[in-house]
Amino acid sequence: QSVLTQPPSASGTPGQRVTISCSGSSSNIGSNTVNWYQQLPGTAPKLLIYNNNQRPSGVPDRFSGSKSGASASLAISGLQSEDEADYYCAAWDDSLNGYVFGTGTKVTVL
Amino acid sequence: QVQLVQSGAEVKTPGASVKVSCKASGYTFTDNYIHWVRQAPGQGLEWMGWMNPDSGGTRYAQEFQGRVTMTRDTSISTAYMELSRLRSDDTAVYYCARVGAGACCHFGNWGQGTLVTVSS
Repeated sequence: QSVLTQPPSASGTPGQRVTISCSGSSSNIGSNTVNWYQQLPGTAPKLLIYNNNQRPSGVPDRFSGSKSGASASLAISGLQSEDEADYYCAAWDDSLNGYVFGTGTKVTVL
Repeated sequence: QVQLVQSGAEVKTPGASVKVSCKASGYTFTDNYIHWVRQAPGQGLEWMGWMNPDSGGTRYAQEFQGRVTMTRDTSISTAYMELSRLRSDDTAVYYCARVGAGACCHFGNWGQGTLVTVSS
């Protein structure tokens, strides 16, 4: 149903770098900025990255975002156990005239 | 500090309506748009629409057009989301979220969520 596609899962050992992709189209990522949200189990989502690559205050610089064309990615470097969570990309879609979330990626720290 | 506090869990029968509230504090309520997002059990996030607390203007996702109404009471800094003609697949946690600037769309603050269960 979602127009933004993410891998269902990603994993790494503590200290490793994990990258999550978010694939969209010209009507969403291709023409609007991307935001990323982290959702810990049983809690509300939290803004992690906004405007493609900006971190809100308090978000560690281990988290970084990038965008190229109609795709975006989130990188987590120096993976920590507390990073185990679901991660969602999101962007405005000009064709749907609405905000769309990605399918979500569950990150597991091995 | 900015806080969004939502109303408690609801259980509704199919065909009924539900109204969820979202009380804002720690900032000027009319300065920032409020959006509503829902999450069905074990599923992803789904955007429902936004409301401008200053003007009362709204924009709804196509999927919810005709069934959702977003309103506010500025005297008590509270936003509301009402969903009518409930179906079993409307069972979800409903979140309100505050936009940092403009109408859309990075949500810097979220409510704690309200579980709405639709069951006969």
